[in-house]
Amino acid sequence: AQSVSQHNHHVILSEAASLELGCNYSYGGTVNLFWYVQYPGQHLQLLLKYFSGDPLVKGIKGFEAEFIKSKFSFNLRKPSVQWSDTAEYFCAVSRDLLTGGGNKLTFGTGTQLKVEL
Amino acid sequence: GAVVSQHPSRVICKSGTSVKIECRSLDFQATTMFWYRQFPKQSLMLMATSNEGSKATYEQGVEKDKFLINHASLTLSTLTVTSAHPEDSSFYICSAHSGGASTDTQYFGPGTRLTVL
Repeated sequence: AQSVSQHNHHVILSEAASLELGCNYSYGGTVNLFWYVQYPGQHLQLLLKYFSGDPLVKGIKGFEAEFIKSKFSFNLRKPSVQWSDTAEYFCAVSRDLLTGGGNKLTFGTGTQLKVEL
Repeated sequence: GAVVSQHPSRVICKSGTSVKIECRSLDFQATTMFWYRQFPKQSLMLMATSNEGSKATYEQGVEKDKFLINHASLTLSTLTVTSAHPEDSSFYICSAHSGGASTDTQYFGPGTRLTVL
């Protein structure tokens, strides 16, 4: 079974600091990769996704992630965080089964990011 | 676009009663919906995959007779927790899949907090 690991469970940064959240997955086949964010009291929102092509993916709100196939990694980055980035971040992976009906997502355990002023 | 709603947002019930949770895709048709459960400070665990007009597919360890799923239309899926017990207390989240295999993106509802007394 595939698994997804997020190494940092809690991260505290000051505003303007750079952010990198780690994500590794275990499945060896073709995968689709996602980062979701959950702001306090809100539902999960898609930050960015990778299916194929350029391994450096840009998402909303200045976030980007890089797919490194050899390392089975999909780390999330942001050059300069803001207080409003305080949220929980989830990495997720689906196997690219081309079912046409949506592939099952496996989530990492999440990283709670707190940005201090 | 791609908004998913859930109703109710919170429910408190007595042990032994049944609770129905609705998941609706408001502005798109979803052939596939997913039901997740999230325990405090943990990640989302997939419970079942719901396809419109067919039986749901349950993940290993999830009791299909306890968690009844009905996906009667392309915009509505329901999860009924039957004979609820305190250990069923949790945060239940649905997602709806938009588009075909090339998009493979799930949009999440805001979740339903179930408390069984």
